[in-house]
Amino acid sequence: DTGVSQDPRHKITKRGQNVTFRCDPISEHNRLYWYRQTLGQGPEFLTYFQNEAQLEKSRLLSDRFSAERPKGSFSTLEIQRTEQGDSAMYLCASSLATSGETQYFGPGTRLLVL
Amino acid sequence: AQSVTQPDIHITVSEGASLELRCNYSYGATPYLFWYVQSPGQGLQLLLKYFSGDTLVQGIKGFEAEFKRSQSSFNLRKPSVHWSDAAEYFCAVHRTGAGSYQLTFGKGTKLSVIP
Repeated sequence: DTGVSQDPRHKITKRGQNVTFRCDPISEHNRLYWYRQTLGQGPEFLTYFQNEAQLEKSRLLSDRFSAERPKGSFSTLEIQRTEQGDSAMYLCASSLATSGETQYFGPGTRLLVL
Repeated sequence: AQSVTQPDIHITVSEGASLELRCNYSYGATPYLFWYVQSPGQGLQLLLKYFSGDTLVQGIKGFEAEFKRSQSSFNLRKPSVHWSDAAEYFCAVHRTGAGSYQLTFGKGTKLSVIP
């Protein structure tokens, strides 16, 4: 069991650029979650997939954000036209539907928008 | 909407001393409750969880937590802190039976350990 992995671990970009992050969940997990964590705060929920279906989105997920999980395995989170306020740690988690909803987190992608 | 309060932003303890981190939640029913730990620049590691049953739950690294329904609390404890426990600790709740699977986190408590 290799755990949840995320790529890249760090990303520095200029305002207005697009960025894409990838998350690989624990292999048998059918649920996948994205969270955002800003400095001094706890993680905040962004969106959730069950298999390939995106079932829940937070109002934090503006129209510049899009997430996909095309084959029900890995997921991507894209931010278009990045703003300085998008600077944060983006965390991915996965869970197995029968495990009592215990979410296991990846190491995160730290985004800095200049 | 559910909420989680961790009233202590920063706690400093001496190595070997006991520790209690407070967590209170606001939710109409009993949620699922979690404690996670985060080292600087890292993701979150699950310490322990409470779903039902025995209100005192044991976790990894010698941590335990007690669910008190009457106080809507789920405080984390450790009898003897080690220097490696220095990290940030997050309490989280998951609303049960509502078709929503998101976790709601508190703002965290940063633990510093004096050698």
